[in-house]
Amino acid sequence: DQQVKQNSPSLSVQEGRISILNCDYTNSMFDYFLWYKKYPAEGPTFLISISSIKDKNEDGRFTVFLNKSAKHLSLHIVPSQPGDSAVYFCAASAKGGSEKLVFGKGTKLTVNP
Amino acid sequence: NAGVMQNPRHLVRRRGQEARLRCSPMKGHSHVYWYRQLPEEGLKFMVYLQKENIIDESGMPKERFSAEFPKEGPSILRIQQVVRGDSAAYFCASSGSIDNEQFFGPGTRLTVL
Repeated sequence: DQQVKQNSPSLSVQEGRISILNCDYTNSMFDYFLWYKKYPAEGPTFLISISSIKDKNEDGRFTVFLNKSAKHLSLHIVPSQPGDSAVYFCAASAKGGSEKLVFGKGTKLTVNP
Repeated sequence: NAGVMQNPRHLVRRRGQEARLRCSPMKGHSHVYWYRQLPEEGLKFMVYLQKENIIDESGMPKERFSAEFPKEGPSILRIQQVVRGDSAAYFCASSGSIDNEQFFGPGTRLTVL
């Protein structure tokens, strides 16, 4: 039973364009959502988060949008850079940020020069 | 700038041996989480500990797996009598308090021969 789903295993984008990564969830108890970036043979690196009381959070080139009614969130990266090429994981928790995280399977982003 | 430390980075064991994975959280962090990642999968929560206490072990297999976070020293994830299906990347994360993001270590890659 996958509570967090990332339906696109991979995404390829040209440098300078926008990357949009999507994530859907099924558990209505989730109230905190995070995006992590992961390079091979390294641990996930925290990127950006959003609480369920907001519908948008922005940090530099990264923006996360949350649509609670649709149980959907997305990560926008603009402009995309080759260094953004990595696997991106969506994660959710039910109590703030300091409870167990439920992860999606990840989307591999490739940004072509 | 000491982040979450994990050792060893790579561990090879034969079936039936014991594996011990260590995690030192970021300075000042008292919450430790262990996650496991199988190939082509997202990270799966295993256990959440605070100093000397197991808070949530709902993701731990019922047998052979145990975890501790003593008053002094690193957190230890112990796997007894390893089997080939235990081969995976094991990640530790730490956070400072409620509502703080979890920061991940580089992981330990366990291979069971």
